[in-house]
Amino acid sequence: DAGVIQSPRHEVTEMGQEVTLRCKPISGHNSLFWYRQTMMRGLELLIYFNNNVPIDDSGMPEDRFSAKMPNASFSTLKIQPSEPRDSAVYFCASSSQGVSEAFFGQGTRLTVV
Amino acid sequence: GIQVEQSPPDLILQEGANSTLRCNFSDSVNNLQWFHQNPWGQLINLFYIPSGTKQNGRLSATTVATERYSLLYISSSQTTDSGVYFCAVDLGFTGGGNKLTFGTGTQLKVEL
Repeated sequence: DAGVIQSPRHEVTEMGQEVTLRCKPISGHNSLFWYRQTMMRGLELLIYFNNNVPIDDSGMPEDRFSAKMPNASFSTLKIQPSEPRDSAVYFCASSSQGVSEAFFGQGTRLTVV
Repeated sequence: GIQVEQSPPDLILQEGANSTLRCNFSDSVNNLQWFHQNPWGQLINLFYIPSGTKQNGRLSATTVATERYSLLYISSSQTTDSGVYFCAVDLGFTGGGNKLTFGTGTQLKVEL
């Protein structure tokens, strides 16, 4: 298996623009997680899905952030409008229910200028 | 929420030395994982170890769930071991899906 695949790897955008991050989980995994990593806050969970349904979005910082999982093999994290404080590395991870080892993608480094 | 503390925060080793990294957590957990974040930012799975002891080459880990801690041992360290080591735990969720809470990490640098 190719592992968790994220795109793009790097994104530079101007403040106010919409940003969409993409994730393909490992085939057969039914839990998907979005994390954000910053120097100040470390690695923090934003939202997670189980069987394509959002279970806990309490980590989503504000209404500018939204996430979807239209099917078992694809998820998006959208920021609209983006702000410089959103600059971070965003990781997607997946795991299989009942065997909860999580595997991470390579991350998307987002810079908002 | 659950607290996850790692020590030491920073560590510098000479190549070939051994080290022990510690992870303390404040509540009973369903799962514990150790990760290595390499200098390129990639999070690499080291161990999935809710309890007991596991070994993988020069690395081994022990989790004592009843006492709420885990240890990661690195023997004969190499420069490629440099990076940040994270401990992450989850409390389990009966509805499925297990969200990880990460510690603040141990920054390791191995020098020649």
